[in-house]
Amino acid sequence: DTGVSQNPRHKITKRGQNVTFRCDPISEHNRLYWYRQTLGQGPEFLTYFQNEAQLEKSRLLSDRFSAERPKGSFSTLEIQRTEQGDSAMYLCASSAPGSGETQYFGPGTRLLVL
Amino acid sequence: QKEVEQNSGPLSVPEGAIASLNCTYSDRGSQSFFWYRQYSGKSPELIMSIYSNGDKEDGRFTAQLNKASQYVSLLIRDSQPSDSATYLCAVKGRSQGNLIFGKGTKLSVKP
Repeated sequence: DTGVSQNPRHKITKRGQNVTFRCDPISEHNRLYWYRQTLGQGPEFLTYFQNEAQLEKSRLLSDRFSAERPKGSFSTLEIQRTEQGDSAMYLCASSAPGSGETQYFGPGTRLLVL
Repeated sequence: QKEVEQNSGPLSVPEGAIASLNCTYSDRGSQSFFWYRQYSGKSPELIMSIYSNGDKEDGRFTAQLNKASQYVSLLIRDSQPSDSATYLCAVKGRSQGNLIFGKGTKLSVKP
């Protein structure tokens, strides 16, 4: 059983550049979530999809952030014009319908904005 | 503002002891509760889920839920040094899809 995968695992970029992260959920999981985690904090919700529909977006998700899940399978999270405050671990999780919708996390993408 | 509160620790216990981790939440409508373990630099790993009042046991782990008190706990019996990690409490509300996490409690198990 393949778990959630995320690419890249690490990204270093300069302030003002755009970055894109990819998440591949567990197969058959129809819900996909993006979270952001900074040092000493728990993960903070950004957005989630049910199939290809983006159902909820956090106020944390500024206009510089956009997420897509075009065919209801993998998802991308893009950050435009990165700022140093965007430095964090970006986590993707997926869940299957029913079973309490337990969310399983991928390994994360660690972003450092210089 | 829906909140999940945890004591940040660190909580230090000797090897073989019982570690007790606590969590309170503000949204009375919350219905699903989860404990995740997170090693330094890694992503959260699910340990337990609990949905109804009472205890739920899985190996050395026991989750306890008291909805009236809005309180969730995790007991780790026979603690091992490999249990040293940050433990995250997460809560899902009735009408929302996402989890709300506490800041985590750092557990250190001393040999």
